[in-house]
Amino acid sequence: AQSVTQLGSHVSVSEGALVLLRCNYSSSVPPYLFWYVQYPNQGLQLLLKYTSAATLVKGINGFEAEFKKSETSFHLTKPSAHMSDAAEYFCAVGRGQRTDKLIFGTGTRLQVFP
Amino acid sequence: DAGVTQSPTHLIKTRGQQVTLRCSPKSGHDTVSWYQQALGQGPQFIFQYYEEEERQRGNFPDRFSGHQFPNYSSELNVNALLLGDSALYLCASSPEPGQTRYGYTFGSGTRLTVV
Repeated sequence: AQSVTQLGSHVSVSEGALVLLRCNYSSSVPPYLFWYVQYPNQGLQLLLKYTSAATLVKGINGFEAEFKKSETSFHLTKPSAHMSDAAEYFCAVGRGQRTDKLIFGTGTRLQVFP
Repeated sequence: DAGVTQSPTHLIKTRGQQVTLRCSPKSGHDTVSWYQQALGQGPQFIFQYYEEEERQRGNFPDRFSGHQFPNYSSELNVNALLLGDSALYLCASSPEPGQTRYGYTFGSGTRLTVV
């Protein structure tokens, strides 16, 4: 079975500060891991994904995440927060098998203060 | 290139009614999945359609059913609506089953309110 835990339902940072959103996963098979962002009243937009290639993954809007197998983690970071980063962020895990689905965490709401 | 399109964007229904939500996948995608996102929660997998058949189903009752058409578009039907069915329903498409390595493409969703 697979699962995802996102630590911290709310994270607040000042504009220009480091953003760190935490995600830990559980999977009995090598996982595919994803971060999605959801702006108010919108669907999900893919930020980045890990699919067993490079462990440091760079995504859109300056975000990146590092896959750490020993820690079963896939934390999302951004060196300098921007006001436009305020949104809900979801970590998800999949298996890449024929009948696959994504299992999502409960989300982290990021607030950015001026 | 159009992404995933869903209709309607908002819907209000009464308990006990039936509802149909529609999804057109991204061009080049033939697999459609549906997710339910309750307020303050992450999306939950409902089911996936490929080659006009339901291929996998999440932990949802039979009141939730679907269909995929030859042009790969899909419908989600919910019968005997309950207040707890109020949620954002998201459609996601992918090039083929098992291709989660590409990351699914999601639509903007249909906000269903049951009163």
